[in-house]
Amino acid sequence: DTGVSQDPRHKITKRGQNVTFRCDPISEHNRLYWYRQTLGQGPEFLTYFQNEAQLEKSRLLSDRFSAERPKGSFSTLEIQRTEQGDSAMYLCASSAFRTGEVKNIQYFGAGTRLSVL
Amino acid sequence: AQKVTQAQTETSVVEKEDVTLDCVYETRDTTYYLFWYKQPPSGELVFLIRRNSFDEQNEISGRYSWNFQKSTSSFNFTITASQVVDSAVYFCALSLNYGGSQGNLIFGKGTKLSVKP
Repeated sequence: DTGVSQDPRHKITKRGQNVTFRCDPISEHNRLYWYRQTLGQGPEFLTYFQNEAQLEKSRLLSDRFSAERPKGSFSTLEIQRTEQGDSAMYLCASSAFRTGEVKNIQYFGAGTRLSVL
Repeated sequence: AQKVTQAQTETSVVEKEDVTLDCVYETRDTTYYLFWYKQPPSGELVFLIRRNSFDEQNEISGRYSWNFQKSTSSFNFTITASQVVDSAVYFCALSLNYGGSQGNLIFGKGTKLSVKP
């Protein structure tokens, strides 16, 4: 299995611009998670999908953030009108969830580092 | 509220020394899951171990061992005979049980381990 893949690895943008990140999960993993990690902190949960359905969103996910997983495979995370406070590492994880099985270990990608100037 | 505390922000050892990384968690749920992840400089979080709240047996995997104590809400991680390649940030995380399904991860702030030759 190839691991979780994220693109781009680095993104520099100017305040007010829109950015979009992509995550390709491990093949056949039905759950996909987005986390945000700022310097010196642990990752914080943003949202997750089971197949194409977005099942949970954190309060951290403001209206400027939107995530999609249209065909239940890859996912995109878009940030509109970026602010300097959006500068962070955006991590994607995937897991194989089976009803009645709680193994569900999340495997992470290397992240997309966003710098908003 | 759920919380994970890693009191050690940074720690440093000389190669071949043993080192213990502390993790204390808070939750009122009786069913939960505890994790350790390693984040090397490349940024990708690497899964190390998962423990459920009903299994208090300590676990050893090579040079790694974990001590889970519900009485003190701790899940500490020991590396024996440390190596330079162990240098990384280590995160402890907590996940709750939502109707038989494991939820998102709640991370501590991490402990940066430096192993010097």
